[in-house]
Amino acid sequence: GNSVTQMEGPVTLSEEAFLTINCTYTATGYPSLFWYVQYPGEGLQLLLKATKADDKGSNKGFEATYRKETTSFHLEKGSVQVSDSAVYFCALGRGSGNTGKLIFGQGTTLQVKP
Amino acid sequence: GAGVSQSPSNKVTEKGKDVELRCDPISGHTALYWYRQSLGQGLEFLIYFQGNSAPDKSGLPSDRFSAERTGGSVSTLTIQRTQQEDSAVYLCASSSRTSGRADYEQYFGPGTRLTVT
Repeated sequence: GNSVTQMEGPVTLSEEAFLTINCTYTATGYPSLFWYVQYPGEGLQLLLKATKADDKGSNKGFEATYRKETTSFHLEKGSVQVSDSAVYFCALGRGSGNTGKLIFGQGTTLQVKP
Repeated sequence: GAGVSQSPSNKVTEKGKDVELRCDPISGHTALYWYRQSLGQGLEFLIYFQGNSAPDKSGLPSDRFSAERTGGSVSTLTIQRTQQEDSAVYLCASSSRTSGRADYEQYFGPGTRLTVT
């Protein structure tokens, strides 16, 4: 079946450090891939997405590239800020013939220290 | 420009009681999803509505769980005879998805935290 695996957290970084959160997936067909973020006390919100192989999603300095050959969608940011502290979820969604429901990874907590 | 709203924000109930959780999606969004976020299981899909019908109920964990949607808008998730393992945050999301595509953004509500004692 379809599944998403994320690196376990928590991840603790100093401000301005480079961030990578690994995400790999298992899916039939051609899913769309997403990163959602949950800031403390807030709801889940879409951070970025990619809908086909080799697409790069980007937002707020974060990037992720849809790699079909390695079934990965790793999240990266060149210089993190304290305000990036949150829980990050990788997710996949199936399209045609499916409902668009999201299958989430377990989430990775990021803590950025000043 | 209201977002997805959910009520109540917190619910504490005794084991064996029934509870109803409400979701108000973004106006005009035809697709509505319920998810559950718990410590042990992470974020799990429960049920999907397109309009008032639910073509995918595959995530409902037992027949104690049911949901309905009326007028293509408000949805209610009902849990009968609650158990302690039902304790979780129940999230609702809506999107403008109307066809077989997965790239429509889902907008999430703040969730209802359910505690079964």
